[in-house]
Amino acid sequence: QSALTQPASVSGSPGQSVTISCTGTSSDVGAYNHISWYQQHPGKAPKLIIYEVSNRPSGISNRFSGSKSGNTASLTISGLQTEDEADYHCSSYTTSLTLVFGGGTKLTVL
Amino acid sequence: QVQLQQSGPGLVKPPQTLSVTCAISGDSVSSNSAAWNWLRQSPSRGLEWLGRTYYRSKWFNDYAPYLKSRITINPDTSKNQFSLHLRSVTPEDTAIYYCARDPGWALSALDIWGQETMVTVSS
Repeated sequence: QSALTQPASVSGSPGQSVTISCTGTSSDVGAYNHISWYQQHPGKAPKLIIYEVSNRPSGISNRFSGSKSGNTASLTISGLQTEDEADYHCSSYTTSLTLVFGGGTKLTVL
Repeated sequence: QVQLQQSGPGLVKPPQTLSVTCAISGDSVSSNSAAWNWLRQSPSRGLEWLGRTYYRSKWFNDYAPYLKSRITINPDTSKNQFSLHLRSVTPEDTAIYYCARDPGWALSALDIWGQETMVTVSS
């Protein structure tokens, strides 16, 4: 299973919105709605921020939202804050009963 | 609350076996809804899912296809923990290793992570 494709980096200014894409295939992203997004600050473990394409776990800000169209999922962060600067990873369940991750996107808040 | 505590050696010589253990508190490795996962992360390969074990009236394992010949994930119900064993390691297996829980309420969403174990493969 090849990794999902994410941009290596995105950036935005405080208060702006940014969108991170995650492109897979009909065997993973396109097959199910089992898409998750994780935020990872340096030296920390990833933290679940979106599950099932667009659902937020308890305690996650509604500034984080997710969507999916075909084989591409997206994470949008609105009202950027400095603490949003981190790496973001997408993942998808696959038709092979495995889990596949994207290469990760580094978000810089300018 | 649920916590995962990892333990394992920081240095493994090739072609030995890498073994890391994840002790669970606040949940059960024998849960009929959760699944217990291993992942790793390196600068060159990013975040990779390695495999999982879960109990649904009997034990099941799923593994990343490219590791199937070298990986075993074992539950230990007596200690409420699960372990990763990766055989015939090479320097390419050098990475930060994580265990993580899929609680089952959203397939493959990993809501609790261990604290990480840095493993270096070197002679």
